[in-house]
Amino acid sequence: DTGVSQNPRHKITKRGQNVTFRCDPISEHNRLYWYRQTLGQGPEFLTYFQNEAQLEKSRLLSDRFSAERPKGSFSTLEIQRTEQGDSAMYLCASSSGDRGGHADTQYFGPGTRLTVL
Amino acid sequence: GEDVEQSLFLSVREGDSSVINCTYTDSSSTYLYWYKQEPGAGLQLLTYIFSNMDMKQDQRLTVLLNKKDKHLSLRIADTQTGDSAIYFCAERMDSSYKLIFGSGTRLLVRP
Repeated sequence: DTGVSQNPRHKITKRGQNVTFRCDPISEHNRLYWYRQTLGQGPEFLTYFQNEAQLEKSRLLSDRFSAERPKGSFSTLEIQRTEQGDSAMYLCASSSGDRGGHADTQYFGPGTRLTVL
Repeated sequence: GEDVEQSLFLSVREGDSSVINCTYTDSSSTYLYWYKQEPGAGLQLLTYIFSNMDMKQDQRLTVLLNKKDKHLSLRIADTQTGDSAIYFCAERMDSSYKLIFGSGTRLLVRP
């Protein structure tokens, strides 16, 4: 396995359109995370899944955002009625889960860069 | 509260050591991480340290943690031009799995 993959790598859309991004985690990683990164800032946490269960959501995740991980493998992040402020890099990460004090390090994908015109 | 701060920019000459600093506010942080990001790319994990340690060394990288002052540093020995990138520190608290990142330090290595 070569790591976390994300598709598409770039997405340009018009304001008001819906977009969907996909993340494929490292095989057998049971935790999957979504972050958003705007220019000049560090990534900000959006949400995370343990298997198919969405366990934590940031208040940044407005009702226009929805994330799913239906079979506990890949995940999708959908943004409805996009706004210019949604323009950012959307990063996905996965981790294997705690093993008695293990750091449960998160491995990141290359990101999807969204531009809303 | 949750806040991680880093200086914005560091410039060093090739072959010198680089020291990138980070402060965090939450004393319940369990793990602290350093990630590297090159232009247009995702984040590459460099190293991490558990909060009950005060130092960790991994080849050219040395991480120092001062838990009393909530200060973390990353030292890169013999800095190379390929080390030019943005470096992020991040904390993870015991009560959550999310990472809280600083704004990143841009390292420029001059030949």
